[in-house]
This record gives sequence, structure tokens and C-alpha cells, in this order.
Amino acid sequence: AQTVTQSQPEMSVQEAETVTLSCTYDTSESDYYLFWYKQPPSRQMILVIRQEAYKQQNATENRFSVNFQKAAKSFSLKISDSQLGDAAMYFCAYRTLISNFGNEKLTFGTGTRLTIIP
Amino acid sequence: GAGVSQTPSNKVTEKGKYVELRCDPISGHTALYWYRQSLGQGPEFLIYFQGTGAADDSGLPNDRFFAVRPEGSVSTLKIQRTERGDSAVYLCASSLMKRGDPSGANVLTFGAGSRLTVL
Repeated sequence: AQTVTQSQPEMSVQEAETVTLSCTYDTSESDYYLFWYKQPPSRQMILVIRQEAYKQQNATENRFSVNFQKAAKSFSLKISDSQLGDAAMYFCAYRTLISNFGNEKLTFGTGTRLTIIP
Repeated sequence: GAGVSQTPSNKVTEKGKYVELRCDPISGHTALYWYRQSLGQGPEFLIYFQGTGAADDSGLPNDRFFAVRPEGSVSTLKIQRTERGDSAVYLCASSLMKRGDPSGANVLTFGAGSRLTVL
């Protein structure tokens, strides 16, 4: 079974600065997907960014980018130019590539609470 | 609808009572998931529907938990004889993934969840 570990329960960053959230995972599979989700107080999980393990290039989405180190099984999220609206819980998640009957179930980490300091 | 709708938003019940939580997915989404998020934890998979059938219910913790999706759209998660340990946020998600089409990573759209408190 796959596991996802987020070792930083809380992080804070000054507005407009850059912050990196850590995630490691354990799997015996060679191909899979990795995701970062944001969960604001409204509780709705919002996809921030995703990475296909078979792609060497790190994914980027505007101010969000990842550092994917496959051999180290590490998948960190970098947020540049942090904004007040970035304050939320951030969850790292794993999904197997080959799914049964389209099952896209995700395995989540325990999350990192990000605070933005004005 | 435009998004995944879950009702009720909050539910407080007493130990031993029966509870139903409803999920209305995005129109046309064939895949539907239920997750449970306990305090301070990430969401944990409960059950997956493809159409009307439960294709994977391996995450249901015990036989007090049951879910249905009779017409392939709205789903109801049912919890019998609730216990204090059932207190959590129950999240529903849907996607357009079609059976037999394993390519790609379709985006799951989540609802805002139903917070269940068992006293």
C-alpha cells in the first residue's frame, strides 16, 4: 500500500515571499500521479497542481511549482509571491496510474497548515 | 449542477442514531467517491461508484456504513448506530472518468463536505 507523509504540520510565510511545503511518499509502483490540494476553511478540496511520475519536467501552475524527485520519492510544493488567499491546509496526494474500472482514489497525507503573515 | 453539492452541511446526532448524508455530483459525472476526514487528518477513501454500482468499497470501516447510488447520479452515505468515533467531515467527489478508459488523470471535483458530530 502507498503512504504519503507531510512532516510539517504548520508553516508560515510573509506575504509576497516564497514558501516550500514538503511531501514524501512510499510506493513500489513505477508510474503514478501526485497532486497538491488546497483546503480553505470552506472545506472544499481544490486541486492546485498535479505531476505525472513518468514526466521528468516539474509541473508549474502560475505561482505554484513542484520539485519532483522520483528517486528520493519527494514531491515538494513551492508557492511564490505568497498571497493572503493562499492561507489554507495543503494536502499532498498519490494516485496509481493503472486504475481498476477507472478508480481514481487518492491517498492523502496529513496536511500542512499554511499561514500568510501580512 | 455547477459543482458537487452535499447536504446537510452540518449534522449533530446522538450516539446510536441513524444518519444519511447526501451527495449531488456534477451533472454527467459517472464516477463518484466518498471520503472521510477526521480532525487533523487527510481525507481517507471510503467507497467508489462507477455509475450505479459500487466498484470499490474497500474503505468502508465496518458494516454500519453503507452507500447507494440508485440512478447513477445522487448518492447517499448511510451510517447506522452512530458512534462518537464516526465524527468527521464526509467529503464527496465526482469525475468524468469513464469505465474502460484508464488514460489520463481526470480531476476530482470535491464538495464542501458534511460535518458529522456524534454526541
